[in-house]
Amino acid sequence: ETGVTQTPRHLVMGMTNKKSLKCEQHLGHNAMYWYKQSAKKPLELMFVYSLEERVENNSVPSRFSPECPNSSHLFLHLHTLQPEDSALYLCASSQDGQGEQFFGPGTRLTVL
Amino acid sequence: GENVEQHPSTLSVQEGDSAVIKCTYSDSASNYFPWYKQELGKRPQLIIDIRSNVGEKKDQRIAVTLNKTAKHFSLHITETQPEDSAVYFCAASIEGNTPLVFGKGTRLSVIA
Repeated sequence: ETGVTQTPRHLVMGMTNKKSLKCEQHLGHNAMYWYKQSAKKPLELMFVYSLEERVENNSVPSRFSPECPNSSHLFLHLHTLQPEDSALYLCASSQDGQGEQFFGPGTRLTVL
Repeated sequence: GENVEQHPSTLSVQEGDSAVIKCTYSDSASNYFPWYKQELGKRPQLIIDIRSNVGEKKDQRIAVTLNKTAKHFSLHITETQPEDSAVYFCAASIEGNTPLVFGKGTRLSVIA
């Protein structure tokens, strides 16, 4: 499969659950991003990884924990989330942090 | 840090008319300005971008203008079609140095 993929596409979880979102890019890029998209803040950057090292953390609550084991994979580990964390979580990748960012289809997360 | 303001938040035009979306940015060092289109239920996709070494760029019915002095840039869509209906996001960054900062989006509706 080409481009940027994300799994699962939909996720419903309770506030006490632990789950993980997965992103994979097949573009040979070396930078990956997590965004949160909601009605209140349409495209809110959460984390940036460049060459597998986290370079940006936009004051995201610790209940969100990213992991980048290699340049092709990015995870977002979720625990003890709140209902206001319900949103579309988008992954993206780019080369050297330049030019076009390619987005995945997103994971629609609902926290009950 | 960078702050990007986008206007209007919603825009309705008749098919065949032109649409203009405007953005301002705060960091005079920003040099990369992409525009993304997000159709309903789909991922954001780059439609056009401009770098600070040019003042205008055109691709068929889409054009972007940049005024570095005033720190604003605009997206122009001519001869609008129903398939242009989507949410459009502007963004700004210091390419290769800082992540993209997105505007809050403009929901464009093209009425047939």
